[in-house]
Parts: sequence; structure tokens; C-alpha cells
Amino acid sequence: AQRVTQPEKLLSVFKGAPVELKCNYSYSGSPELFWYVQYSRQRLQLLLRHISRESIKGFTADLNKGETSFHLKKPFAQEEDSAMYYCALSLNAGGTSYGKLTFGQGTILTVHP
Amino acid sequence: DGGITQSPKYLFRKEGQNVTLSCEQNLNHDAMYWYRQDPGQGLRLIYYSQIVNDFQKGDIAEGYSVSREKKESFPLTVTSAQKNPTAFYLCASSIGGLQVGNEQFFGPGTRLTVL
Repeated sequence: AQRVTQPEKLLSVFKGAPVELKCNYSYSGSPELFWYVQYSRQRLQLLLRHISRESIKGFTADLNKGETSFHLKKPFAQEEDSAMYYCALSLNAGGTSYGKLTFGQGTILTVHP
Repeated sequence: DGGITQSPKYLFRKEGQNVTLSCEQNLNHDAMYWYRQDPGQGLRLIYYSQIVNDFQKGDIAEGYSVSREKKESFPLTVTSAQKNPTAFYLCASSIGGLQVGNEQFFGPGTRLTVL
């Protein structure tokens, strides 16, 4: 069965410092990985997905199949980045995605001024 | 105003009572999902539906039931068989079908408290 692990429940950094939120997964097939974010008093929303290879709000994430990781990185953290971040995995069987997501436990990021 | 709505925002229930949480979407999405969010455990999938009149159990379906009679509606019933129902419940939807990397859109959530 697929599994997503976010080893850090809490992560604190100062404004302007680099930040890395870790995500490891276990799945024997070829997964699709996502990062979702939940800002205070807002809905959970998609931040980025690995197939898009995009940078959103300065965040990037690279899928490392050898290490089965999908860490989220930002070189200079901002106070508005403070939020709950979830890594999620979608099965991709036979080239189709069923849309079902498996989420990690989440990491609360706090960026101090 | 498009999107996903959940009602009520807060819900209180006495032990032994069933309660139904509403989820409606006007995004014309085929797929809908119910998650439970608990501190330190992330989101866990309860049920999902890829098309009208069809639904599948997720990872923690015991004590819950759903229906999908209309494309836009996916109500969740928390039954008295659910041992620990106090939680934050999130509904989501996605385009569904044979799409790669579907984004899920989430509702605002319902906080259920069992008294």
C-alpha cells in the first residue's frame, strides 16, 4: 500500500532563511506527487504538483525516485508562508490517474519576523 | 459563486445519534471525496465517488456511509457505529475521469463534536 511520511510536525524558521519541508513516500509504481497548503482560516488548496515542474510562490519540489522523496523548498522564507503543508500522493496506474490522494501527516511551518 | 460548500460549519451530536454532513459543488466535477482531519494524522480518506451512483470505501470507512444520487451532492452520514467521530471533516471534488494529476478542490469543512 502507498504511504506518505512527513517527518516534521513543526518547522520554525526566520524570515529570509531557506526552508525545506520533507516528504518521503513508499509506492512500488510510478506516483504523482503534490503539495497542498492550508493557510490560517482558509481552505486547503493545491500549491504545486511534480508533473508541472513549476515554481509557485517561490516554492519548488523535485521528485527524487531514487530516494523516494518530494521535498518542498524555498530559498527565502516569508512570514506569509506560515501555514500547514501536506504532501500527497496519487496512484498512476497504466497512465491514468484515479484522483485518489494519500496524504502525509502534515507540517506546520512558522516563519518568524 | 462557484465552488464547494459544506454545511453546517459546526455540528454537535449526542452519542448514539446518526448525523449527516452536507457537501455540494457546482464545478461540474465528476469525482468527490470525504476526508477526516485529525491533529497529527493528516487527512484520511473516508469515501470517494468517481461518478454518480457509484462510490468506494476509503481507508477509514467503518462507521460512515455516503450516497451519490446527484452529481453535485455527496452527503456523508456519521453513524453511531463510528467510535471516535469528533473531528474536522473535509469534502473535496476533482474533474475525475482519465485525467492525469487532477487537482482536488476542498470545501471549508465541518467540525463535528460528539457530546
